[in-house]
Amino acid sequence: NAGVTQTPKFRILKIGQSMTLQCTQDMNHNYMYWYRQDPGMGLKLIYYSVGAGITDKGEVPNGYNVSRSTTEDFPLRLELAAPSQTSVYFCASSYPTGTGLSGDEQFFGPGTRLTVL
Amino acid sequence: AQTVTQSQPEMSVQEAETVTLSCTYDTSENNYYLFWYKQPPSRQMILVIRQEAYKQQNATENRFSVNFQKAAKSFSLKISDSQLGDTAMYFCANSGSRLTFGEGTQLTVNP
Repeated sequence: NAGVTQTPKFRILKIGQSMTLQCTQDMNHNYMYWYRQDPGMGLKLIYYSVGAGITDKGEVPNGYNVSRSTTEDFPLRLELAAPSQTSVYFCASSYPTGTGLSGDEQFFGPGTRLTVL
Repeated sequence: AQTVTQSQPEMSVQEAETVTLSCTYDTSENNYYLFWYKQPPSRQMILVIRQEAYKQQNATENRFSVNFQKAAKSFSLKISDSQLGDTAMYFCANSGSRLTFGEGTQLTVNP
């Protein structure tokens, strides 16, 4: 059971380039999330998904897109990279335990450090 | 809107001693949860403890316990018998419609 895996671990992009951050979980969790963590700050929610085919915006969605075609995968797409997107990106997943979206423990991946120059 | 404030950017404690990390929050939700997450140098986010707002009893997990004051919107974390492995960034988080994190407290446990 690998949990939540993210690739790549590190990436440097030039301004205007595009890339996809991959996230996969093998825990059969319905809910998945993408966060960004800027230096010295807490995590901010970019997008989340409550199941295959369903996605919704979080607190800071601008400049990003997501898709959820399977339960396991939740890729995050950056279309036109900007220096403001330099950050560490975390993917997380949770299983609905009846406490609702808000109460479930979220399991995090190891993060992707992205630098845009 | 939900906000979470951690007023202590850095703290240190001697091994085996007790330390308390502070957190205050604001929310308009009636039902919500509060969390403390730990982020060691490996960057992995690990759940330390969770509190359901409608439960008055403070949550405990081994050496970790919370002091939850709902009226004051305060949610502090107490770590007893601190260990070197407790050195990490600690994030307080509030979950109503979505999880909102504070800015973190860097805790260093000194030998």
